[in-house]
Amino acid sequence: NAGVTQTPKFQVLKTGQSMTLQCAQDMNHEYMSWYRQDPGMGLRLIHYSVGAGITDQGEVPNGYNVSRSTTEDFPLRLLSAAPSQTSVYFCASSYRGHPKETQYFGPGTRLLVL
Amino acid sequence: AQTVTQSQPEMSVQEAETVTLSCTYDTSESDYYLFWYKQPPSRQMILVIRQEAYKQQNATENRFSVNFQKAAKSFSLKISDSQLGDAAMYFCAYRSPTGANSKLTFGKGITLSVRP
Repeated sequence: NAGVTQTPKFQVLKTGQSMTLQCAQDMNHEYMSWYRQDPGMGLRLIHYSVGAGITDQGEVPNGYNVSRSTTEDFPLRLLSAAPSQTSVYFCASSYRGHPKETQYFGPGTRLLVL
Repeated sequence: AQTVTQSQPEMSVQEAETVTLSCTYDTSESDYYLFWYKQPPSRQMILVIRQEAYKQQNATENRFSVNFQKAAKSFSLKISDSQLGDAAMYFCAYRSPTGANSKLTFGKGITLSVRP
């Protein structure tokens, strides 16, 4: 198993550009989520999904869109990038959304918005 | 809403010694889950240990153990026989049992350095 994979590893964007951060898992996990990590802030939940076709907002959803057309993939879209979205983004998945289930994290995508 | 507080931004320990990382949380729920995650320089988030609030026994995983004080809402991580590979950022996290969609709430993290 590859686990949770994220692409790209690093990206530079200009303000106003759009892009999609890719996340995939091969563990047949129902629950997937996106976090952003900023210095001194820990990780904060952006969006999550409990299964194909079902998504919901987390703590900091503004400026981000998600969709879940398959169990394996959970892309995060920035429609018009802003410097405030400069961050490290982590995708995570677990078998279910139950809190006792271990969440597995991807390696992260570092995004710089100029 | 639940909050997780890690008040010490940095700590240092001598190799082979023991260090304790502190974490407190605020919640009105009686049942929940607590976690410690390790983030080395590679940035990969690695689960270190998990504690279920309804269990009185403190969780242990090899050199890692917790001191869970439910009444005080305290959840500290003890690392015994510290090794150079333990140097990393450590995050305490809380997860509510409410519903199937409960999210992880993280503290701000603590950077642990290990002196050879």
